[in-house]
Amino acid sequence: GAGVSQSPSNKVTEKGKDVELRCDPISGHTALYWYRQSLGQGLEFLIYFQGNSAPDKSGLPSDRFSAERTGGSVSTLTIQRTQQEDSAVYLCASSYSGPLEQYFGPGTRLTVT
Amino acid sequence: GENVEQHPSTLSVQEGDSAVIKCTYSDSASNYFPWYKQELGKRPQLIIDIRSNVGEKKDQRIAVTLNKTAKHFSLHITETQPEDSAVYFCAASTNTGNQFYFGTGTSLTVIP
Repeated sequence: GAGVSQSPSNKVTEKGKDVELRCDPISGHTALYWYRQSLGQGLEFLIYFQGNSAPDKSGLPSDRFSAERTGGSVSTLTIQRTQQEDSAVYLCASSYSGPLEQYFGPGTRLTVT
Repeated sequence: GENVEQHPSTLSVQEGDSAVIKCTYSDSASNYFPWYKQELGKRPQLIIDIRSNVGEKKDQRIAVTLNKTAKHFSLHITETQPEDSAVYFCAASTNTGNQFYFGTGTSLTVIP
């Protein structure tokens, strides 16, 4: 079946602009995670959605970052007033629920110039 | 919060030898420990996981051990092959699974 998809695959933006990154999880997966992976670094947790519960936003690095998950499916990560340090690969993952195998999307490579 | 440390950051082994990657964690509430493999330019994929009610789990050439008292867990790859070359990440999570804390990764190179 279809895996996790993300769009766009690459995004180049100017410093100060807003960007939206999209994630389509696997159908039926109630848990959705966003991570940030800087070059040569590990996976930094950003935010977690579980069903209709309030999201865990504790990993968001600043108030310029926000995320939504509409209808318990598609999620959008928004970065406002982008900075050069926001340049990274943003990965989305989904799972059936909680601490089970996470299926990762291909990522969005964001470059802020 | 949880802090996961992973060592070594890079590891080179001869084909056929074993490779061991170690991780430590700080939160005693963590009880789910997955390992992910990320090949160059690709997404991370789960290769094995262990829960705190077991001490060891094997899957063919891959094994993971867990020592809850010492708060460390390790990945063991035996009879390494060139296709094992990748970056490996350990992670720790709790029952609620609301946060996964990943290690910084180990770049494994298997030399033919």
